[in-house]
Amino acid sequence: SVLTQPPSASGTPGQRVTISCSGGSSNIGTNTVNWFQQVPGTAPKLLMYIDSQRPSGVPDRFSGSRSGTSASLAVSGLQSEDEADYYCAAWDASLKGWVFGGGTKLTVL
Amino acid sequence: EEQLAESGGGLVQPGGSLRLSCAASGFSFNTYSMNWVRQAPGKGLEWVSYISNSGSETYHADSVKGRFTISRDNAKNSLYLDMNSLRAEDTAIYYCTRGSECDSWGQGTMVTVSS
Repeated sequence: SVLTQPPSASGTPGQRVTISCSGGSSNIGTNTVNWFQQVPGTAPKLLMYIDSQRPSGVPDRFSGSRSGTSASLAVSGLQSEDEADYYCAAWDASLKGWVFGGGTKLTVL
Repeated sequence: EEQLAESGGGLVQPGGSLRLSCAASGFSFNTYSMNWVRQAPGKGLEWVSYISNSGSETYHADSVKGRFTISRDNAKNSLYLDMNSLRAEDTAIYYCTRGSECDSWGQGTMVTVSS
């Protein structure tokens, strides 16, 4: 994948977990980042857009940030329902297309 | 409430063709750009194609360039993906998504390329 994410992350209920997303100058370095949440067997859902904006209905336990060519998603007060796959994405100006990270499987222990 | 509903998936032989459709409802379709995103079994998300709200601008991933064509009919609130010269590696669930943020997704339609 053009964007690099850790394949897995985990935490216990109530903990704070951060998922990183690393890219380059033509994608994250130039354009904003979106994050998607996918519960296995269901379609992905937009979780964060324009780096740190939450769509209606997304709890404020989720937050996002972007700096340079990297972005991150933080989940605080971890809950069992947060167990899912998380993907970052950004428009790549050189490829003229969207690029995704490989996904991070978040496990709530 | 906005809704996207994909259709047209199925089993096709290598080298074959297929047309996917996405019916949009609950929003002003002609004001949004649209995308196709796919997910191979057990794999991550891969962007396939983009089309502007008017249809005047389109982009395709290198992996499908020259084989797939995205189009839309704003009068019918519909998005399409014409897929030719299909390969085994095109096997995936294909989702249509709305806008530059992909803020709405359909349930997906499965395409299986196999002999």
